[in-house]
Amino acid sequence: EDKVVQSPLSLVVHEGDTVTLNCSYEVTNFRSLLWYKQEKKAPTFLFMLTSSGIEKKSGRLSSILDKKELFSILNITATQTGDSAIYLCAAPGAGSYQLTFGKGTKLSVIP
Amino acid sequence: DVKVTQSSRYLVKRTGEKVFLECVQDMDHENMFWYRQDPGLGLRLIYFSYDVKMKEKGDIPEGYSVSREKKERFSLILESASTNQTSMYLCASSFWSATNEKLFFGSGTQLSVL
Repeated sequence: EDKVVQSPLSLVVHEGDTVTLNCSYEVTNFRSLLWYKQEKKAPTFLFMLTSSGIEKKSGRLSSILDKKELFSILNITATQTGDSAIYLCAAPGAGSYQLTFGKGTKLSVIP
Repeated sequence: DVKVTQSSRYLVKRTGEKVFLECVQDMDHENMFWYRQDPGLGLRLIYFSYDVKMKEKGDIPEGYSVSREKKERFSLILESASTNQTSMYLCASSFWSATNEKLFFGSGTQLSVL
């Protein structure tokens, strides 16, 4: 059974802090790993990672994949209150197009 | 931009009622999905469809059915709503591609069953 595990489940930081969110996976025939941000209702896509060691970056957010150790991290530097959200990690299962999601990390950034 | 529209943001129903949740996407995606999201449990797949009139069970299909009569529309049906089906329901769609599994989500329907 495919598994995606995120840690921590929740995190409270102050504005300006740097945070690292973790995602480990056990997926048959791994193809990709995806990160989403869920602020109010609809999760929105952040990154899709397919290759080890290649950092994807978007503003203050970056993510990297380690296919040997089967994990990915999402970094957010200089956090702002607008970064408060649930961050979801997901991977497609073997031979299918359905994503297996982790339980998410709830990030709260306080002023 | 891809748009996935769910018909209701909030819904309150009584135990035993038949409930329809509607989802429409405007990007000609082949795949459509229904998830429910509960605190501490994350997103769990209920049903998905990869073509018109095709459906596949996800991880938690019990108590639900689906209908996909047109490519753009995927409906989730609760035949007889129960209190344990109180949840946030998220619809999503994607292209049929082995190299890009990116999902596009609707804004969700918060269903309360009393």
